[in-house]
Parts: sequence; structure tokens; C-alpha cells
Amino acid sequence: KQEVTQIPAALSVPEGENLVLNCSFTDSAIYNLQWFRQDPGKGLTSLLLIQSSQREQTSGRLNASLDKSSGRSTLYIAASQPGDSATYLCAVTTDKLIFGTGTRLQVFP
Amino acid sequence: GAVVSQHPSRVICKSGTSVKIECRSLDFQATTMFWYRQFPKQSLMLMATSNEGSKATYEQGVEKDKFLINHASLTLSTLTVTSAHPEDSSFYICSARDRVTLRADFGAGTRLSVL
Repeated sequence: KQEVTQIPAALSVPEGENLVLNCSFTDSAIYNLQWFRQDPGKGLTSLLLIQSSQREQTSGRLNASLDKSSGRSTLYIAASQPGDSATYLCAVTTDKLIFGTGTRLQVFP
Repeated sequence: GAVVSQHPSRVICKSGTSVKIECRSLDFQATTMFWYRQFPKQSLMLMATSNEGSKATYEQGVEKDKFLINHASLTLSTLTVTSAHPEDSSFYICSARDRVTLRADFGAGTRLSVL
């Protein structure tokens, strides 16, 4: 059974810091991995999608890497801003889409 | 703009009534759609996987007679919460997966409150 874990569970940092969020999964037989953002009481916004054959994807200040063999992915956020405050979720795709436990991020001015 | 439309966004109903939630992929074909439930401050819990033209696959502990799923076309899946009770109050989110890229996009969610 696929299990997806995210570390840390919560993170509070001052504006401007570079951040690393971690995601680990137990079964490496995945099609892809996605990172999402969820604001309180809202749905999910897809941030980055990494196919199983890829090692990283970049979008603006976000960079996600994937090491399938070790079952790990990291989301790097450069120069964090208060608007980045949200819960970040990773999810892996096999025949299902299984979510991690989430990282609650707060960036304060 | 949104590529997955979920409707309604909020429902308040009396105990014992049934509630239908629709999930549509707007500009791609989704052979697979997923239904999730999310409790406050928790991650998304997969309820069932819906495949177009076939019966849904339910996760362990999810009652199929309670949560009826229909995936009648490549762009539409529905979740019906039958005879809703207060403990069914939750945030329900659907996801549609593109059949080519396998990218999953999500609806905005439905907040169900059962009185």
C-alpha cells in the first residue's frame, strides 16, 4: 500500500527565506508526482507535475525534484513571500492519486 | 481558468436527504476521476476511483451504497451522498485525470453541511 509522508508538518518563516519541503513515498512504481497548493477552505491548485522519467520541474520561484528510486521529492521555494502561505500537498500517481500528509506554511512579513 | 468544474460549491441540507455533486472536466477527456473527502486540517482521503463506463472502485471503509458514484461520460462524474447525516458533513473534492498526460486537476470542492 502506497504511503506518502511530508516533512515538516508545519513551517513558519520570515519573508525572503528559501524553503525546502519534503515528500517521501513507499512504492516507487509511480507514473508521476504532483505538488499542489491549498488555501484554507479552498480547493487545490496544481503547482508542478513531474513525470516518472523526469528529475525536476521549475515554475517561477518553485522547483520540484524527484528521486524515484529513493522515493523522495522536494519542493524548493525561493525568496518566500507572505502570499506563499498555504498548505502544500504532494501526490503520487499509480492507478490512484494518493496524497501526502501536507505541510502548512506560514510566511510572515 | 479552471479546467475542472465542481458543482455545487456549498450545500446545506436536512438529515435524511440525498445530495448530488457534479464534477466536469472542461477541456480534456478524463477516463478516470477521483473523489476525496477532507476533514478540517487534514489531508485528502481518497474515497473512490471512478472510471468511465464502469463501476467505481471504493477504498476500504467507504460505503458504496452511501456514496453513489456515476461516471457516465468522459467529462462528467457524479457523487451522490444518500440519506445524508450530520457525520457526512465534510469538504468533498473531485479530481479529473487527463487520459494522455495523467495530470490531475481538481475541482474547487463542495462543502456539505447536514443539519
